Amino acid sequence: IAGITQAPTSQILAAGRRMTLRCTQDMRHNAMYWYRQDLGLGLRLIHYSNTAGTTGKGEVPDGYSVSRANTDDFPLTLASAVPSQTSVYFCASSDEPNSPLHFGNGTRLTVT
Amino acid sequence: AQSVTQLGSHVSVSEGALVLLRCNYSSSVPPYLFWYVQYPNQGLQLLLKYTTGATLVKGINGFEAEFKKSETSFHLTKPSAHMSDAAEYFCAVTRGSNDYKLSFGAGTTVTVRA
Repeated sequence: IAGITQAPTSQILAAGRRMTLRCTQDMRHNAMYWYRQDLGLGLRLIHYSNTAGTTGKGEVPDGYSVSRANTDDFPLTLASAVPSQTSVYFCASSDEPNSPLHFGNGTRLTVT
Repeated sequence: AQSVTQLGSHVSVSEGALVLLRCNYSSSVPPYLFWYVQYPNQGLQLLLKYTTGATLVKGINGFEAEFKKSETSFHLTKPSAHMSDAAEYFCAVTRGSNDYKLSFGAGTTVTVRA
């Protein structure tokens, strides 16, 4: 089934550890995004990529990095996790400008 | 910069009653507007979108929304709630130009009473 695959589905991580959240899409969409979802705040954009080889900062980029080496993969890395990064992380993709986003099922991350 | 305000973090309706979820936006250019739904432990799914043209747009599962430029609103309605409509709903806006990025509202959780 075409779509977005995120891994892991959940993770408990000690503060200070490095963590990479994986995201793969098989729809050949140009744009990909990482959002974090927190209660009462909705979804906030962390980083995005309009096309392979390019990335940009969203609303809340601090403490996170991304890469876009190819069309399909868009990993999100926390270099040194902190408790405030406890959240549910969603990867999404879209084909054309302002076309609807397709979302993965999320990664629930707890930083202790 | 664009922003989205959803009035009411939680709405409770009886089965068969009208569902009304309010969304107001601010944008410096004509916006593209979206409503997404999130069921428990899942990602978001598109309900409907407004880009240009007819201001009343129909989506899946009997939902519709009307773009009112004068009120900067994009409220979501469904005439008759069903138990399966219990979920969280998000309004979102883009800049309406060659810009992929969405800004989301804080979300409204809908519960449906039998």
